[in-house]
Amino acid sequence: GAVVSQHPSRVICKSGTSVKIECRSLDFQATTMFWYRQFPKQSLMLMATSNEGSKATYEQGVEKDKFLINHASLTLSTLTVTSAHPEDSSFYICSALRRDVNEQFFGPGTRLTVL
Amino acid sequence: GEDVEQSLFLSVREGDSSVINCTYTDSSSTYLYWYKQEPGAGLQLLTYIFSNMDMKQDQRLTVLLNKKDKHLSLRIADTQTGDSAIYFCAESIRGGGFKTIFGAGTRLFVKA
Repeated sequence: GAVVSQHPSRVICKSGTSVKIECRSLDFQATTMFWYRQFPKQSLMLMATSNEGSKATYEQGVEKDKFLINHASLTLSTLTVTSAHPEDSSFYICSALRRDVNEQFFGPGTRLTVL
Repeated sequence: GEDVEQSLFLSVREGDSSVINCTYTDSSSTYLYWYKQEPGAGLQLLTYIFSNMDMKQDQRLTVLLNKKDKHLSLRIADTQTGDSAIYFCAESIRGGGFKTIFGAGTRLFVKA
């Protein structure tokens, strides 16, 4: 298999602050990573596709200025939630695409709580 | 549009078989997946099937695909308490890069 890590696993922040979440592919290179958001007892909602060396592609309804994505290397993508509000509280999951096996590998998720 | 639907809850007794059903709308799907999510954790890929197949078996797991009806099912034989989790059906869309659409998830509860 392949391992994808996320850091931090949990974060609590005050309203108005920014939070950065890292997604790393530990044993393979990933030119494409995905960021999902999951509300309690609901499915994963794709927020954006992160492409190494280029701008992320955001899904309809996702504010790109609020959810900043940077994919500066083949093993790291970051999601920054800017000026966080309580409604941004959610479980954020990333995945990394391993093209040689054509499979997405998911990180363990980051639970964000905005007070 | 793209949509994946599945029932939200299933309860079975330990040792019985579980069948989780899913329907999807996009006829251009290339791959269909079943993922497992345990509480507070990310997703684990259980199995997948190519859209040109109608059945795939992997140990206790059997996936059936009816492409005409756009219906996918996951059968877990000899269900164990450790199988209790949320199971997500998902499809990948041709022409959408590797975009994957997930269902809402079926919560499987296994009674001892």
